[in-house]
Amino acid sequence: DIVLTQSPDSLSVSLGERATINCKSSRNIFGGPNSQDYLAWYQQKPRQAPRLLLYWASTRESGVSDRFSGSGSGTHFTLTIDRLQAEDVAVYFCHQYFDTPATFGQGTRVDI
Amino acid sequence: QVQLVQSGGEVKEPGASVRVSCKASGFNFINYQIAWVRQAPGRGLEWMGWVSPYTGRTQYAPNVQGRVTMTTDAPTTTGYMELRNLSPDDTAVYFCARGVSSGRGLWFGPWGQGTLITVSS
Repeated sequence: DIVLTQSPDSLSVSLGERATINCKSSRNIFGGPNSQDYLAWYQQKPRQAPRLLLYWASTRESGVSDRFSGSGSGTHFTLTIDRLQAEDVAVYFCHQYFDTPATFGQGTRVDI
Repeated sequence: QVQLVQSGGEVKEPGASVRVSCKASGFNFINYQIAWVRQAPGRGLEWMGWVSPYTGRTQYAPNVQGRVTMTTDAPTTTGYMELRNLSPDDTAVYFCARGVSSGRGLWFGPWGQGTLITVSS
């Protein structure tokens, strides 16, 4: 199975500042028929279902604020949240869909 | 709008079975997959599998293969996940999600609200 390791496990960021979350894959997840990175990012607020933020490592889902951006390729990826707002307090997960079984990172908790 | 609404939580005894439903609306049901992901209390996300409403094809995670069956009913745009021979380790919130095909795997969005299944004697 492909293992995704996120860092840090948690971080505290001041309002208006930037949060950076890393996701490292145990295998290269670039390629496939689309020549893309098969990585998604989700946000899970307390007592809510996860919400899709990004797919193809950097493509924002419809309706997602442009304060959320993704970067990286191959085995190292980053989710950046610019100008952090109170509503961004959540746990963030990366997810690879390159191989079966699909796997998720362990999550990174972001608070103020 | 695109929405997935799941059935309510249940308490089951070890060895029992549970079936969770997932009513989809706001999109063409047969053009996507219905995936299932679970989250044990205080833990991360665990992919369980997916089902294609168009072909009926399924793919299951190895850790639940043999105990899980995922189906859909196209006329009612509802997906179902049945898990058998429950143990306390199956206690979790179960989520359905719309699976978008990438040509290899699926990404998931949106998600249902979740269904808490508690397994306890």
